[in-house]
Formats: sequence, structure tokens, C-alpha cells
Amino acid sequence: SQQGEEDPQALSIQEGENATMNCSYKTSINNLQWYRQNSGRGLVHLILIRSNEREKHSGRLRVTLDTSKKSSSLLITASRAADTASYFCATDARFANNNDMRFGAGTRLTVKP
Amino acid sequence: EPEVTQTPSHQVTQMGQEVILRCVPISNHLYFYWYRQILGQKVEFLVSFYNNEISEKSEIFDDQFSVERPDGSNFTLKIRSTKLEDSAMYFCASKADHQDYNEQFFGPGTRLTVL
Repeated sequence: SQQGEEDPQALSIQEGENATMNCSYKTSINNLQWYRQNSGRGLVHLILIRSNEREKHSGRLRVTLDTSKKSSSLLITASRAADTASYFCATDARFANNNDMRFGAGTRLTVKP
Repeated sequence: EPEVTQTPSHQVTQMGQEVILRCVPISNHLYFYWYRQILGQKVEFLVSFYNNEISEKSEIFDDQFSVERPDGSNFTLKIRSTKLEDSAMYFCASKADHQDYNEQFFGPGTRLTVL
């Protein structure tokens, strides 16, 4: 299996603080994506980082990828209460035909106002 | 901005009944997927579909499940005889092509409750 696995499982911080979530995976990938999910709702795509990229930014989000360690991190800076959600990393398979995504269990982030 | 849509948003059914979950992928996309998420658990891949046939399926996708693209726009997931453990959120996703930098776009999900 090449599912992503996030840690921590749960993270609680104060508004304004930074939140860092980590993801590890098992096999070679084409890309790694981070998604956000509000409780009981759909998946919102946040950012995609390709296997030949090491870092990517989007607004308050910063994603890193270390293919030698098969790991990625998602940093949310200056967090807001509205950032409260579950965050998932998902990987797709290198050499696979269909690029279906394999998700980790997610990190539940709570940002206290 | 184009988006994947799913209907219904919530489906309640009795155990043993058949359900059909519907998805309208983004119109120029070629790859289609179903995933499910049991409450509190991770999102799990069910099946991928390309060129009018299943291209990959997981061990979850047994004979009770089938997919179809009946009319060139809809993409459906059928569960023939629902079980209690089929209760979950079901997400449809689509992707433009095989390029590895293309993201999958997910629909809002259908919450299936089997009683």
C-alpha cells in the first residue's frame, strides 16, 4: 500500500499560531496532494506538489516534499478559527495507469479563537 | 469554475435495497473515480473508470458494486444489496487526463445511511 499517513492525528492550537502537519508514504509517487475537509463535508483541494518539487506555497500554506524520506509537511501560518478542519494528504502511484489517490487518515486541526 | 456534482446529498435506505449514487464529472475530464469514507475514517479508493470501462478497483469494490457512464455525462455507482457497513460518504472525482500534475476534482459527496 502506498497510502499517506498523517501525524499528528489531532492538533489543537490558538488562533495566530502556525500549524504543521506531516505525512509519510511508502512507495514512489508522481505527486502528493493535500486536501481539507470540514466535518461531514466534501474534500477541498489545497495544493499539489510534484515529485520533482521540494517546496510550494499558496497563500498561508507551505508544503514541502522530501522524496528521499517519503514525507511531506503542510504548514498553515497565522492560523484562523476558520482553518478548523481535517487535513489529508493523498498520493498517486508512479507507473500506475490511473493515478487513483490513496489517502491517509488525516489530521484533525482545531484552531481556538 | 467547473465542478463535480453529486446527487443526492443524502440517501437513506433499508438494508438489502439497491441504491444508485449519481455524479456529473467535469465535462472535458476523461478519468473518473469513486471513493468512500466511513464516518471518522480515511477516504478509501473504490474504483477508477476510463474509456468506458473499469481500469482499477480495490478489494472493497466487490460484486455488489458496479459503475456505469450511461449517457456521456453521468457517472453512477450502484450498490445492489446494501449492507449496514455500506453506510459512508461516497465521493466522486474526475481528472482531465493522465498527466501527473493534474489534480483530481472531488464532488461534495453523498452520505449513504443504511438502516
